[in-house]
Amino acid sequence: DGGITQSPKYLFRKEGQNVTLSCEQNLNHDAMYWYRQDPGQGLRLIYYSQIVNDFQKGDIAEGYSVSREKKESFPLTVTSAQKNPTAFYLCASSNNRADIPPGNTIYFGEGSWLTVV
Amino acid sequence: GDSVVQTEGQVLPSEGDSLIVNCSYETTQYPSLFWFVQYPGEGPQLHLKAMKANDKGRNKGFEAMYRKETTSFHLEKDSVQESDSAVYFCALSDRPNRGSTLGRLYFGRGTQLTVWP
Repeated sequence: DGGITQSPKYLFRKEGQNVTLSCEQNLNHDAMYWYRQDPGQGLRLIYYSQIVNDFQKGDIAEGYSVSREKKESFPLTVTSAQKNPTAFYLCASSNNRADIPPGNTIYFGEGSWLTVV
Repeated sequence: GDSVVQTEGQVLPSEGDSLIVNCSYETTQYPSLFWFVQYPGEGPQLHLKAMKANDKGRNKGFEAMYRKETTSFHLEKDSVQESDSAVYFCALSDRPNRGSTLGRLYFGRGTQLTVWP
């Protein structure tokens, strides 16, 4: 079945460690996104990529890094520079072309819970 | 910049009650508007959308009208059910270029809908 797969579902990070969250999609979508969700704050954009080999910072990019070497993959690294990384992380992909059905669609993965221990 | 403000906190109707969850937006462009629904432990799902002014999004008895004159996209339902209980997010998307209809999303903080049986 087509969709977005995030892994791992749960991840524990020690102080000073970098960790990488995986996001894979087989929907042939050009655009991919990483959001962070904290209670009472909705979803905040970390990074996004409209096309392979290109990505832009979102609103809260400090302490995070990404790569987009393949269309189907958009991994997120939470570095030790991120001071408050405990959160629920959501990856999404979108078909942002109205001329390619189904147009104007966006799908989220199941999310990854990151906890600092 | 672009932003979304929606009814915050919890809404606690009884089954069969009517529902309005307010959503107002600010933007200098011509955005697309969305409502997402999120169930516990899952990623958000696209619930309904409206791509331009005066469009009405519909899904599972919910409706939302894209009103440019009042910059609003309120979520409404005539008779809520217990199964509607979830967190609802209003969002807008800018359009990065003429060929695309979706860009990054700007989310409201979410509204927890809990329907009493």
